[in-house]
Amino acid sequence: EVQLVESGGGLVQPGGSLRLSCAASGFTFTTYSMSWVRQTPGKGLEWVANINQDGSEKYYVDSVRGRFTVSRDNAKNSLYLQMNSLRAEDTAVYYCARPRGSFDSWGQGTLVTVSS
Amino acid sequence: DIQMTQSPSTLSASVGDRVTITCRASQSISFWLAWYQQKPGKAPNVLIYQASNLESGVPSRFSGSGSGAEFTLTISSLQPDDSATYYCQQYNSYPWTFGQGTKVEIK
Repeated sequence: EVQLVESGGGLVQPGGSLRLSCAASGFTFTTYSMSWVRQTPGKGLEWVANINQDGSEKYYVDSVRGRFTVSRDNAKNSLYLQMNSLRAEDTAVYYCARPRGSFDSWGQGTLVTVSS
Repeated sequence: DIQMTQSPSTLSASVGDRVTITCRASQSISFWLAWYQQKPGKAPNVLIYQASNLESGVPSRFSGSGSGAEFTLTISSLQPDDSATYYCQQYNSYPWTFGQGTKVEIK
């Protein structure tokens, strides 16, 4: 059974940093690209970033490019999202998701709140 | 960026009704479209991929159609468990984008 478990969310002040992690199991992690998707009440679902199987190709939505960095450790079956210069509008539930074309597996999500 | 527009934003229907949700893309996305169902407090769950392919385990009352820039999700006979928000998503090109969602309520 595919499992994706996010961690690392919490409350952070504007301008601060946070690192999210996603532990993957139940599938061959090295054969899939992986994504982060976030959800806010106001903007709905928003794809944030994608990283290919070996980490050599990364793509970002414009609103986070230059502030967020996606990475992976295939030896640990783990996906990461380093978030810097956080803004109030980054407040959301962040999901780790597996794209097989569509997103066929999702984690339970981790809440990030950016507020002073 | 490709904009995805869903209609309606909300709909209310009775058990057994046929329900249709429309998703329009701002440019052609061929058939690279997925539909998701999301219930409160849960992650989205894929129903349809490549516009018309039913994901394994999804009830056959769900179906998808369309290509290019106009797509539909149909629930042939609405069930109480179908009360949820539905989203379309294009994966033709980056940035991958979602529609704003359609909330389906049971009368």
